[in-house]
Amino acid sequence: AAGVIQSPRHLIKEKRETATLKCYPIPRHDTVYWYQQGPGQDPQFLISFYEKMQSDKGSIPDRFSAQQFSDYHSELNMSSLELGDSALYFCASSGESRYNEQFFGPGTRLTVL
Amino acid sequence: QKEVEQNSGPLSVPEGAIASLNCTYSDRGSQSFFWYRQYSGKSPELIMSIYSNGDKEDGRFTAQLNKASQYVSLLIRDSQPSDSATYLCVLGTSYGKLTFGQGTILTVHP
Repeated sequence: AAGVIQSPRHLIKEKRETATLKCYPIPRHDTVYWYQQGPGQDPQFLISFYEKMQSDKGSIPDRFSAQQFSDYHSELNMSSLELGDSALYFCASSGESRYNEQFFGPGTRLTVL
Repeated sequence: QKEVEQNSGPLSVPEGAIASLNCTYSDRGSQSFFWYRQYSGKSPELIMSIYSNGDKEDGRFTAQLNKASQYVSLLIRDSQPSDSATYLCVLGTSYGKLTFGQGTILTVHP
C-alpha cells in the first residue's frame, strides 16, 4: 500500500538559511499534519491542513509557515534557521476515519550547523 | 501535569513473555486513543487504535481502555526481540493534533 512520502530525507543547512520540506499524503487522504521531534523527545504537533485550509495549529514558530496545495501535498517552509531547529520532521496524513487515524511518513532529518 | 503520562521505563522482558505498557491521560474529553511503535530514528508506526471502553485485540496485541479511570494500556503477548522499540501512547481529537506521551522503551531479550 502507498505510504506518506517526504522529501528530502536528509537536509543540512547553515544558521539563518531557509529550508523547504515536502510531504505527499497517502492517496485520497485529505488532511496533512506536521510534527517536530527533537532528540530523545516525543513528537510535537506543529500545524495541520484539511482540504487546503489550516485546521489546527500547535507550537509552530513564527519563522515557519506551511501550506497545502490543490493536489493535497504540503510544504513546510522554515526561515532564519537556528541550531535548535535541528530535529526530525514528520508529516502524517489521515483520510475519512472518524477517529483521525494518522499515518506517518519516514521523516526529514534536518541538521542546522 | 503532562497530558499523557506513560509508565516509566525502560521495560525489559524475556522473549515469549507478556509486556505490559500503561498510560494515563488528563483530558476527559479525549475520544480516540492510539499506540504507536517507534524504532530509533524511524517514524511512529500505528499499531493499535481504541475508542470505546474495554479490550481490543489484534494478533499478539491487546489494547485496553477505561475512560472512567482515564487509563489506557497495551499488552504484547509472546514478546519477540523485534518488538524492542519505544511505544508511544497517543491521544487524538476528531479533527486535529495528536498528543504523545513521552514513550516507554521496551527491550525483549532472547
